[in-house]
Amino acid sequence: DQQVKQNSPSLSVQEGRISILNCDYTNSMFDYFLWYKKYPAEGPTFLISISSIKDKNEDGRFTVFLNKSAKHLSLHIVPSQPGDSAVYFCAASENSGGYQKVTFGIGTKLQVIP
Amino acid sequence: DTGVSQNPRHKITKRGQNVTFRCDPISEHNRLYWYRQTLGQGPEFLTYFQNEAQLEKSRLLSDRFSAERPKGSFSTLEIQRTEQGDSAMYLCASSLRSVSGKGAGELFFGEGSRLTVL
Repeated sequence: DQQVKQNSPSLSVQEGRISILNCDYTNSMFDYFLWYKKYPAEGPTFLISISSIKDKNEDGRFTVFLNKSAKHLSLHIVPSQPGDSAVYFCAASENSGGYQKVTFGIGTKLQVIP
Repeated sequence: DTGVSQNPRHKITKRGQNVTFRCDPISEHNRLYWYRQTLGQGPEFLTYFQNEAQLEKSRLLSDRFSAERPKGSFSTLEIQRTEQGDSAMYLCASSLRSVSGKGAGELFFGEGSRLTVL
């Protein structure tokens, strides 16, 4: 039962263009949505998040959009840079007995071509 | 370095042996999590500690797995009688903020401990 789904295992984008990574979820109890970035041989690192009461959050080149009615979120990277090449995990959190339980998708591998 | 530290980074063992992984969280973080990641999958939740109390365990955590966090500082994850299906990356994460609000769900991960069971 995958509550957080990333249907594109990989994505290739030219340097300077926009990268769009998509994510769908099924659990209506999620109240925060996050994106993590992972380089090989490293643990995931937090990138950006959005509260369920908002529809957009921007941080530099990274913007996350949330469509709550469609249970869909996306991460936009503009402009894409070769250093952005990594695996991106969509994640969602819910308040579970007093702590935020975080559920991850399977990841999308982004390759930015110079 | 004040990030989350895990060791060993790699462990190769024979089926049936016991292994133990250690995690040192960021010092001021009172919440600690263990996740497991297998090839082609995202991190899967195993267990959660608030200070020294283990407050939640996933059904993925069979009775061969035990986790502790004595004194609310470092944590250990022990796997007894390892099986080939235990081969995975074991990730530890810590956090300070956990209730709803800015930073909710933001976890700080270590580099992971990769287990290979032959």
